[in-house]
Amino acid sequence: NAGVTQTPKFRVLKTGQSMTLLCAQDMNHEYMYWYRQDPGMGLRLIHYSVGEGTTAKGEVPDGYNVSRLKKQNFLLGLESAAPSQTSVYFCASSSPWGLAGARSSYEQYFGPGTRLTVT
Amino acid sequence: QQQVKQSPQSLIVQKGGIPIINCAYENTAFDYFPWYQQFPGKGPALLIAIRPDVSEKKEGRFTISFNKSAKQFSLHIMDSQPGDSATYFCAASTGSARQLTFGSGTQLTVLP
Repeated sequence: NAGVTQTPKFRVLKTGQSMTLLCAQDMNHEYMYWYRQDPGMGLRLIHYSVGEGTTAKGEVPDGYNVSRLKKQNFLLGLESAAPSQTSVYFCASSSPWGLAGARSSYEQYFGPGTRLTVT
Repeated sequence: QQQVKQSPQSLIVQKGGIPIINCAYENTAFDYFPWYQQFPGKGPALLIAIRPDVSEKKEGRFTISFNKSAKQFSLHIMDSQPGDSATYFCAASTGSARQLTFGSGTQLTVLP
């Protein structure tokens, strides 16, 4: 199993350009998340999804859109990139279901990240 | 508004020392408290987690202490090793999708 993969690993955009970050997971997880990580601020939740075709806003959703057309994929879009969106973006997935008879650990599995620079 | 406050921002200890990282939260709806470890260039990975119905949890050299009344929890690393040098994040979870709210992180350096 590859776990959670993210494409691309690095990207440089000019202000106003658009792009889509792809997250894929092969663990059949129901829940998927997008975070951004900035120095001294930890990780902040952008958007999340509890299942195929559903999305919801997190703590910092402005300037981003997401789609979950397939259970294994979660896309993060920037329609008009701004320098404030320079960050490292992480995707994660988790499952509400634990092993048979056990409570879910709710563990989130993270991808390797995408470093985005907006000039 | 930071709902999970983490300290210190950085920590340097000698090999064998016991670094302690502290976190405090405000939202009483949080019901799951994980710690994540992150190495440079990698995504965070779950280290250990605790639910509020217990006061302490140990896994190997890592221990979480939890004080529900004070709304505080901490990570202790026994017999720390240079390989433990990483950034550590506390987090708290609630909501329909178990969304995580992270602390700001602690950069730990263990000197050989």
